[in-house]
Amino acid sequence: EAQVTQNPRYLITVTGKKLTVTCSQNMNHEYMSWYRQDPGLGLRQIYYSMNVEVTDKGDVPEGYKVSRKEKRNFPLILESPSPNQTSLYFCASSLSAGGGTLIYEQYFGPGTRLTVT
Amino acid sequence: GNSVTQMEGPVTLSEEAFLTINCTYTATGYPSLFWYVQYPGEGLQLLLKATKADDKGSNKGFEATYRKETTSFHLEKGSVQVSDSAVYFCALKGTSGTYKYIFGTGTRLKVLA
Repeated sequence: EAQVTQNPRYLITVTGKKLTVTCSQNMNHEYMSWYRQDPGLGLRQIYYSMNVEVTDKGDVPEGYKVSRKEKRNFPLILESPSPNQTSLYFCASSLSAGGGTLIYEQYFGPGTRLTVT
Repeated sequence: GNSVTQMEGPVTLSEEAFLTINCTYTATGYPSLFWYVQYPGEGLQLLLKATKADDKGSNKGFEATYRKETTSFHLEKGSVQVSDSAVYFCALKGTSGTYKYIFGTGTRLKVLA
């Protein structure tokens, strides 16, 4: 089954304790992205990756790191989490970033609810 | 920079009522426009899309027309069902060379039987 998986689905942690949220897709997609969802703010893009070893900042990258060493995986790293990073996080992938009128659907994972105390 | 503004919810309708959720955008050039839907406890799913002016995206009875003159992409459905209850997000992706997605704040729809 074609899917985007995230782990863990739920995580409660303390301020400053490094954590990684994994994201994996089995569709051979080139484009992958991380979003956070907050009430009243909708979804905001954190980082995206055009392909292996190619990443770029979205609108809210501060406090996050990513890496893309393999095509299928795109982990999100919080080196020193803070309470303002408490949020619902989504990973998404699409065949390609596309361009012009060539647009590819993004497939979203089920989400990771993170609480930082 | 690019931005998306959509009407605040929640929107509460009776079954078979007509639905409109407004979405306007700010962007240079001709961005691609999307509506995504999020059912409770799930990730987002693409509902429909449009890539150029006057394009109409449609899916599952939902429609939206890309209006360049009013920079709008309003979502409509002629007769909603209880199963349409969800959060709806308007989104845009910039023109070539821009690979960021911008999402609106989401509009919660509740349909009563």
